[in-house]
Parts: sequence; structure tokens; C-alpha cells
Amino acid sequence: QQQVKQSPQSLIVQKGGISIINCAYENTAFDYFPWYQQFPGKGPALLIAIRPDVSEKKEGRFTISFNKSAKQFSLHIMDSQPGDSATYFCAASIWGNFNKFYFGSGTKLNVKP
Amino acid sequence: DAGVTQSPTHLIKTRGQQVTLRCSPISGHKSVSWYQQVLGQGPQFIFQYYEKEERGRGNFPDRFSARQFPNYSSELNVNALLLGDSALYLCASSQDRDHGYTFGSGTRLTVV
Repeated sequence: QQQVKQSPQSLIVQKGGISIINCAYENTAFDYFPWYQQFPGKGPALLIAIRPDVSEKKEGRFTISFNKSAKQFSLHIMDSQPGDSATYFCAASIWGNFNKFYFGSGTKLNVKP
Repeated sequence: DAGVTQSPTHLIKTRGQQVTLRCSPISGHKSVSWYQQVLGQGPQFIFQYYEKEERGRGNFPDRFSARQFPNYSSELNVNALLLGDSALYLCASSQDRDHGYTFGSGTRLTVV
């Protein structure tokens, strides 16, 4: 039983375009939703995270949109750059529960120059 | 500041063998978690340790075990290796239960 479902599996975007990755979760006890960026040969690196008390969080070109009633959240990458080409993972956890993360299956983003 | 360091970076083992993976957390971090990442999938939670005690265990067989030492470093042991254990094993550390985790670059285990 997959706790967090992520789509699409892969995404190709032109430089300057908007990349959108979606995730849905099942467990309503989840209250911490981070996004991780992973380059080949590296571990995941925290990109941005949101708690369910807000519907949107923006950090630079990265924005998380959160819909609590639909149990969905998404990552928007504005003005996508070739350097953004990586695999992106959404995750969910219960904050304070020693942060046991449930990860999505990942989205491989390719930003074309 | 040094990040989370894992050793070795790569290793190849034969089916049935045993392996020990090591993790040194960021200085001051007392919590360590282990994740398995099979190629093309998201990381799966294996273990979490805080202050040298096991605080969480994922859905992995008893062939998987771990421990945390007084200096907060950690080892993950896998016995009776199977081909399906081939994966990137990630270690992550955190100050405590109320902070996020920093991941290491992982150990790539190949079982042949």
C-alpha cells in the first residue's frame, strides 16, 4: 500500500517553462510535506517543505501548493533551468514522530536548453 | 561543516554474504535513519535511532539490523544477502525529533 503517490514519472520542460509535479497522500495524520531533489550519485537534498496550516509556500523559484481537503500537494518550478534537471521526490511524515518519511516514487525532470 | 558521511560508497557482495554499512551523522545530530532506495524508486524507511535507541522500524525482514553508538554514528547490517537487496542505502541525520533530516550520498550495494 503506497502511502504517497507521485506523478508524472518523467517530465520534459523547455528552459524558462513551468515544471509541475503532483503528489497525493492517504494518511490524514501526515502533517509535514517536504520535497527533495536528487542528482545522480547523490542523496536526496531538502528543497522546500510545507505544513498543512498554509495552502502555499514559496521559496525563490520553487512553490508548494497544498490542498488539505483533497489530500494533494504539488511542486511548481518557475522559470525552469537546465540545472534543475534531477529527480524530485515528494514525501510525507508525522512531524515529531522521528520524521519517518514516506516517499513518492519520484519524477525525473529534464529541462531542455 | 562535514555533512552526513557514509562508507563505503560502493561495494559488491555475493548472495548469502553479510554486509555492514557505516554512517557518521552531522556533528551534534543525535538521530540517524536508514533508507533503502531501489533504482527508479523512492527511498523506503528501514530504521530510525535516537539517543542510541531504536525508535522506528520499517517493513523489512529480520535480516536487516542496525545499531547506534555512543558517538551517534550508526551501522546497518544485512545478513544472508539476496539479489533484491541491491540498492542505494541512505543514511540521514537530524538534531532531534523536531528537525528535518540531512541525507548522505549513500552506499551503493550490488549483490551478485
